[in-house]
Amino acid sequence: DIQMTQSPSSLSVSVGDRVTITCRASQSINTYLNWYQQKPGKAPKPLIFAASGLLSGVPSRFSGSGSGTDFTLTISSLQPEDFATYYCQESYSTQWTFGQGTKVEI
Amino acid sequence: QVQLVQSGAEVKKPGTSVKVSCKASGYTFTSSYMHWVRQAPGQGLEWMGMIDPSDDSASYAHKFQGRVTMTRDTSTNTVYMELGSLRSEDTAVYYCARIGGQMDTYYFDYWGQGTLVTVSS
Repeated sequence: DIQMTQSPSSLSVSVGDRVTITCRASQSINTYLNWYQQKPGKAPKPLIFAASGLLSGVPSRFSGSGSGTDFTLTISSLQPEDFATYYCQESYSTQWTFGQGTKVEI
Repeated sequence: QVQLVQSGAEVKKPGTSVKVSCKASGYTFTSSYMHWVRQAPGQGLEWMGMIDPSDDSASYAHKFQGRVTMTRDTSTNTVYMELGSLRSEDTAVYYCARIGGQMDTYYFDYWGQGTLVTVSS
């Protein structure tokens, strides 16, 4: 099975900071990589599909990049509503593996 | 608009089984695969499997093979996830999530509200 490893596991930041979260796949997954945001007690919300596709309604401060095994989610200027946990997920295999999550906190 | 409404919280004894439902509306039920994802308390997201509502075929995560069954009822636009031989480690929130996307790029675009399953003696 493909393993997805995110780093860091948690991140202490301030409003206005630039935030970068990385996700590494154990084998090449082309650009079959999605990103989700989850707030406490809520279902995950999709942000980015196919590594860099920004979904409708998602603020442009969010961006994704990468291909093969290494991917990045960037928040250009963190806003108060962005404090959450972020997950990457591969859609290359039939197992749809998630990364372990990155908690963005103050 | 697309809605996925799940059944309510459950408390189960170890060794028993639980069946969670997810009722879909706002789109053609048979046009999109439905997946199940779970999240143990304070932990990350774990993919469990998926079902094709058009033909009732399913595939499961290796970890749950033999213990999980996913089915659907096209008369009520509902998918079900049944997990057997429950143990305390199965205590989690269980989500259904619809597949969206196009051109060979897919992601989970709509999620149910989650169903808490607690396994305790």
